[in-house]
Amino acid sequence: QKEVEQDPGPLSVPEGAIVSLNCTYSNSAFQYFMWYRQYSRKGPELLMYTYSSGNKEDGRFTAQVDKSSKYISLFIRDSQPSDSATYLCAMRPTGFQKLVFGTGTRLLVSP
Amino acid sequence: DTAVSQTPKYLVTQMGNDKSIKCEQNLGHDTMYWYKQDSKKFLKIMFSYNNKELIINETVPNRFSPKSPDKAHLNLHINSLELGDSAVYFCASSQGLGLTSGITNEQFFGPGTRLTVL
Repeated sequence: QKEVEQDPGPLSVPEGAIVSLNCTYSNSAFQYFMWYRQYSRKGPELLMYTYSSGNKEDGRFTAQVDKSSKYISLFIRDSQPSDSATYLCAMRPTGFQKLVFGTGTRLLVSP
Repeated sequence: DTAVSQTPKYLVTQMGNDKSIKCEQNLGHDTMYWYKQDSKKFLKIMFSYNNKELIINETVPNRFSPKSPDKAHLNLHINSLELGDSAVYFCASSQGLGLTSGITNEQFFGPGTRLTVL
C-alpha cells in the first residue's frame, strides 16, 4: 500500500462547478500537507499548504486536513477552464524535508 | 528570470549511453532536489542536497550520480541508460531543511527534462 493514495481521475466538470479533490495517507507522522498544481508539460507549483489539522482558504481554493481520518481535501469553487491541470497532494513529517506525493488527479473543466 | 532552470528540456538517447542533466536556481536557496516523474505522473524524490551536502539518497540505482558544485547548481549524471529510465526529471529547490515547526519549506520546481531512452 502506498503511503499516499490519490484517485488519478480524470475528473471532468463543467465551468462553475465546485470541485473536490482528495487524498488519504497512512503515516500518522505527517504534519505538513500541500497541494501542487501541474499544468501539462510544466513543473508542479505550490497552490496551498496546511500545517497540522484544520482549514485554509485562499480565494476560490480551500484546503482541509482531517488528521483523525488521515484525509485531506482541496475544494475549488467556481471552477474555470484555466483550472484544468493535474493536482498533486504532498505531505511530510515535521523536521524532515522529504515530500511524499500522491499520484495526482487530472482535472478537466469544460467551458 | 526563471527561478529554477533545467537543461536540456528534451533528451532522446540510445540505451547504454551516458547523459547529464543540469539544474540551476537563482532563488538563493540552500537545498536542491531531483525528482523522477513516471508515465503515470507519480513524482518520487531521488536526491536532495543541502549546502552541497547529500541529505537524501533514495533507493536509486548507482548509475545515477548527482553532483552539486555549489549551492545554486545540482546536476544529474546517468550512466548506461536503460529503457526504464525514460521519465520526466524535475529539479527543485527550497530554503532550509524544513526543520522549523509550522513553516513549510516550499519547494520550487523547474520545468522538467523529458528523457526518452530508445
